[in-house]
Amino acid sequence: DGGITQSPKYLFRKEGQNVTLSCEQNLNHDAMYWYRQDPGQGLRLIYYSQIVNDFQKGDIAEGYSVSREKKESFPLTVTSAQKNPTAFYLCASSTRQGAIFQPQHFGDGTRLSIL
Amino acid sequence: AQTVTQSQPEMSVQEAETVTLSCTYDTSESDYYLFWYKQPPSRQMILVIRQEAYKQQNATENRFSVNFQKAAKSFSLKISDSQLGDAAMYFCAYRSARYGGSQGNLIFGKGTKLSVKP
Repeated sequence: DGGITQSPKYLFRKEGQNVTLSCEQNLNHDAMYWYRQDPGQGLRLIYYSQIVNDFQKGDIAEGYSVSREKKESFPLTVTSAQKNPTAFYLCASSTRQGAIFQPQHFGDGTRLSIL
Repeated sequence: AQTVTQSQPEMSVQEAETVTLSCTYDTSESDYYLFWYKQPPSRQMILVIRQEAYKQQNATENRFSVNFQKAAKSFSLKISDSQLGDAAMYFCAYRSARYGGSQGNLIFGKGTKLSVKP
């Protein structure tokens, strides 16, 4: 079955450490997205990529970095510069039909906590 | 910039009854898409229903329907015959239809937590 796989499901970070969250999709979707979700908040966009080797900052990109070397993969690195990284992280993807992006599909998320 | 507001942090409904979740949005664009996503305790985001702004007819998906009032910038979700499995966070989301740049990006409201009482 096609879908989006996020790993790990739970991740712990020590102070000053960089960690990388994995997101893989086998839907052949062009665009991929990373969101952060905090309690009582909606999803906020961190980074997005509409095509391989290209990505753009979202609303809260500071302290995060991404790469898009392959169409199916869009890893997110939470750097030590992100002072409040504890949150639930969701990856999503969508495809385009002509000029129109289709609805986004989401992975099951990764919960990141600080030790 | 576009914004999405869900004014009801929590709602409760009796099983088999009907409940309506509210959503308003602000935009200067005339062409866009609106969505309702469901996030159950498992945390996976599931698309419930979508509405194209250029369509006057309200979208329906089985027990889920919307009341789309474009002039009022209102997009409410009605759940009929509520079931225990409907208990979840519900998020309203906006997406521009304007080509290029951030097209495809979703702007979310803060969500409404729906409880279903047996």
